[in-house]
Amino acid sequence: GQNIDQPTEMTATEGAIVQINCTYQTSGFNGLFWYQQHAGEAPTFLSYNVLDGLEEKGRFSSFLSRSKGYSYLLLKELQMKDSASYLCAVRDLVTDKLIFGTGTRLQVFP
Amino acid sequence: GAGVSQSPSNKVTEKGKDVELRCDPISGHTALYWYRQSLGQGLEFLIYFQGNSAPDKSGLPSDRFSAERTGGSVSTLTIQRTQQEDSAVYLCASSLVMDNQEYGYTFGSGTRLTVV
Repeated sequence: GQNIDQPTEMTATEGAIVQINCTYQTSGFNGLFWYQQHAGEAPTFLSYNVLDGLEEKGRFSSFLSRSKGYSYLLLKELQMKDSASYLCAVRDLVTDKLIFGTGTRLQVFP
Repeated sequence: GAGVSQSPSNKVTEKGKDVELRCDPISGHTALYWYRQSLGQGLEFLIYFQGNSAPDKSGLPSDRFSAERTGGSVSTLTIQRTQQEDSAVYLCASSLVMDNQEYGYTFGSGTRLTVV
């Protein structure tokens, strides 16, 4: 089975950097995804890691270590609009479905 | 269409009634997924379609829940004899992997179901 853990809530200041961690235990791994979800809206795709290392996309970066079952999402130059939930999800190797963590609710303050 | 379309966006139903939720995926996306999200909770997997077949129905919470997909496109999730614990946002997603580039799931805006 799959087990995914991430912090429930985090706060940060506008302009700062925040790192959201995700650890997972899986019987079969085929990639890790990060999604952003604003309140009342659908999740939107942010990043995908299948190999170890850092993937950078503008202000957002995502890191994966498969041997440690660990990923993080790094958000730089925080803006108020970054206040949202950030969902970590692991794709199952056999079924191809995404298993989601409960999400980290990030609040950015001025 | 340009995105994943779900209808209705909101549904209020009386306990014991049946409901049908519809998902129209992105054209050309062969994989379609149903999830539900209760208030303050993570996304709970329900069922997955590849084409018209459902290789994984393991997430359906009870035999009151069923889903079908026709023509490799539109999918319908049916909940019979609804209960209050069925109240949640039901999200549909479709996905495409092309040229070994991962585009992730694209989610619809969801159907907010309230059972009273």
